[in-house]
Amino acid sequence: DAMVIQNPRYQVTQFGKPVTLSCSQTLNHNVMYWYQQKSSQAPKLLFHYYDKDFNNEADTPDNFQSRRPNTSFCFLDIRSPGLGDAAMYLCATSKSSHKETQYFGPGTRLLVL
Amino acid sequence: SQKIEQNSEALNIQEGKTATLTCNYTNYSPAYLQWYRQDPGRGPVFLLLIRENEKEKRKERLKVTFDTTLKQSLFHITASQPADSATYLCALEGGSYIPTFGRGTSLIVHP
Repeated sequence: DAMVIQNPRYQVTQFGKPVTLSCSQTLNHNVMYWYQQKSSQAPKLLFHYYDKDFNNEADTPDNFQSRRPNTSFCFLDIRSPGLGDAAMYLCATSKSSHKETQYFGPGTRLLVL
Repeated sequence: SQKIEQNSEALNIQEGKTATLTCNYTNYSPAYLQWYRQDPGRGPVFLLLIRENEKEKRKERLKVTFDTTLKQSLFHITASQPADSATYLCALEGGSYIPTFGRGTSLIVHP
């Protein structure tokens, strides 16, 4: 089945220790998104790629970076995680950016010790 | 400022009843609005999309209405079942072509 896969499902890191979360998709969609979701809050868009074009949200901290080496894969790098970065990180895709349904992965739960 | 408001209190209903969830928004003129379901510890799953020129959309036991004058969407689940228990998020296009999500409302269906 075509899908969005996120690894790992749970990630524990130490304060200040860089961490990378990964996302892959078999849908061959052009757009990939990274969201941060804290408990009982709305998913917050961090950035998205339309093909190779990177689009950063204005309020996304510099501590968060992303890479998309090819259509199928996208990575979220947190350079120096703080306690406030503990959250669920959701990867999503859509066929094109406009008026399209988003398909989400299962998420990676990040814990910062 | 732009706001999407969904009731933060959980909606508790009995099995078989119709659940109605509300999504209100301010300072948006969305071309469309979507509803997603999210189970604990999982990513959201798309349910329905309704466009600005549509008043109502149905899919099996689900019905969505969209009133651009009231700036409100209602999401109905008829003949609700315990398996419908989840958080339901609305998302609307805010002019940047990418949907913005509300925080969701938790629905609990009691047997």
